[in-house]
Parts: sequence; C-alpha cells; structure tokens
Amino acid sequence: AQKVTQAQTEISVVEKEDVTLDCVYETRDTTYYLFWYKQPPSGELVFLIRRNSFDEQNEISGRYSWNFQKSTSSFNFTITASQVVDSAVYFCALGRNNNNDMRFGAGTRLTVKP
Amino acid sequence: GAGVSQSPSNKVTEKGKDVELRCDPISGHTALYWYRQSLGQGLEFLIYFQGNSAPDKSGLPSDRFSAERTGGSVSTLTIQRTQQEDSAVYLCASSFSSSRHHEQFFGPGTRLTVL
Repeated sequence: AQKVTQAQTEISVVEKEDVTLDCVYETRDTTYYLFWYKQPPSGELVFLIRRNSFDEQNEISGRYSWNFQKSTSSFNFTITASQVVDSAVYFCALGRNNNNDMRFGAGTRLTVKP
Repeated sequence: GAGVSQSPSNKVTEKGKDVELRCDPISGHTALYWYRQSLGQGLEFLIYFQGNSAPDKSGLPSDRFSAERTGGSVSTLTIQRTQQEDSAVYLCASSFSSSRHHEQFFGPGTRLTVL
C-alpha cells in the first residue's frame, strides 16, 4: 500500500527557531519519488524538492534541508532559523514509478510567530 | 499568464446539478493533473493527462467524475449530479516533463461548495 503519514498536524514556533517536519512513507516499490510542497495562505502549492529512491544524499537549500532515510522510510524537512514567511501548510508526497498516482500526506500546518 | 490558471475560483451549486471546472496549464507543459483537497486533508489524485496518450483515470472516485483535455492544453473536469461530499478545493497542476513525477506547478484551485 502507498501511504504518507505526517504525524504533526500543527506546529507553532517562534521566529529564528529551527523546526523539523516529519514525513514517513509506506511503499512496496523499489523505485519511487518523494516530494515536499509548501501551501502558503494564498493557497497555491509551491514545489520545494523531489528526491528519487536511489538518491539518499541529504540536501540543503538555504535555510531548508531534507533528511532521507530509507532504513526508516522517512523524508524529514528542517527549516533553520524560521521566519514568519515560512508559515504555511507543508505537504510530503510519494510518487510511484509505474503510474501517475501521487499520494500526499495530510499536511503539517506551521505557524511561525514573530 | 505565467502560471496555471483555474476558473471559476469559487463555485456554489445545488445538490444534483452538474458543474464544470476549467484549467489552463502553463504553455508547453505536456502533463496535466487534477487533484481534490478536502478540508484539512491532503491532496487526492484524480486524473492525469500526458500529451496525446490516454489519460490515467485511476483516481476518479466515481463515474460522476470525468475530465477531458482539448488540443493538449485546456482541461475541463466535470462532476455530474453533484453530492455534498464533492465539496472540496479542486486543484490542477501541470508539468513540463513527460517523465513521471516531475516538478508540478499548481493553480490556485476552484473551491466547490455543494449545498
């Protein structure tokens, strides 16, 4: 079964704190793709990262970093020195290699307070 | 425009009526997706179009839902005999690459309310 679990429904932090958003996935596929999308209050989802199952290197992009651990089926997302503009709902998603179905987690609502 | 556009932005309809939702993808994007986002939920995949290939309809929840893409560009999602549980935000996304699961660009969505 394909499933994405984002256990944290809501997180609230104060500006400049670091925050990690958890994502755990389930799949029997050996080839698959993992994503993070950001949905700000305006509503339009914004692509953040795509990672295939064969690339376990962690990635850093500015204040954002991602930790992919196949052993624990996790793809966690960390924001360093959070800012108010980071407030949004963040979705983790899993894509299969042999079809176009994308399974999204329920999302984590992040609120960064000034 | 530069991004994916959807119309209408809001649609209120009565139970039993048919509705049509429109998506204009980014010019040149060959892949087009429809998703449904219910309140407080993640996105639910509905249907995928890639070029002139037969669409992947595996996510459509019932035969009341259908979609078409004319000329490889604009897409219309039709919901017949709407039910209250169809109330949700319907999101369209397009992608440049023909490979699966390339970066998707999302539209602002159509908020459908079925009374």
